[in-house]
Amino acid sequence: QKEVEQNSGPLSVPEGAIASLNCTYSDRVSQSFFWYRQYSGKSPELIMSIYSNGDKEDGRFTAQLNKASQYVSLLIRDSQPSDSATYLCAVYMKTSYDKVIFGPGTSLSVIP
Amino acid sequence: GAGVSQTPSNKVTEKGKYVELRCDPISGHTALYWYRQSLGQGPEFLIYFQGTGAADDSGLPNDRFFAVRPEGSVSTLKIQRTERGDSAVYLCASSFGRGNEQYFGPGTRLTVT
Repeated sequence: QKEVEQNSGPLSVPEGAIASLNCTYSDRVSQSFFWYRQYSGKSPELIMSIYSNGDKEDGRFTAQLNKASQYVSLLIRDSQPSDSATYLCAVYMKTSYDKVIFGPGTSLSVIP
Repeated sequence: GAGVSQTPSNKVTEKGKYVELRCDPISGHTALYWYRQSLGQGPEFLIYFQGTGAADDSGLPNDRFFAVRPEGSVSTLKIQRTERGDSAVYLCASSFGRGNEQYFGPGTRLTVT
């Protein structure tokens, strides 16, 4: 099992819909979780961080963390074409690696 | 304030040559990271600095790769005897500490011909 896995894309949603991006991780005691957005040809841009179980909302973005299930997700409400990008999940695995491990990313396409 | 900067933005070199890639982190960030990203992949960890010292270089693929951060700010990634397989985007990020939010520079696209 890879350390950080994301649902394979590409994911296509119509404009205005909710996009759901999922991530699972292997280190049971991971502490910090991050979502990055990466436009084609650009570097990753931090959009959300979450550290405790539950939901964290920031504008149209909601991060959800379930440590018992080793699962973190990102919901994008009212998706816009400008949200079309690759979304990277990153997990700080303090115990096993003591570093942030990135997933492979999920490509999202929002169709006008 | 200013973000992470990286130079050059693009570098084309011939196989066997030596290259240096530079990273200037966000002011006040003590942690600095180098990653390598190939098309369709997530960033792959190379090395982490806390201050001037390389706290973790476990991601460096072999001894052709070396990085320094002599004054605890700017860092240089050095690649000797470049190979075509070294072609990738090299990303630098900085943060207040390990496990904290990392902020990335624009990257250097290295092409080895």
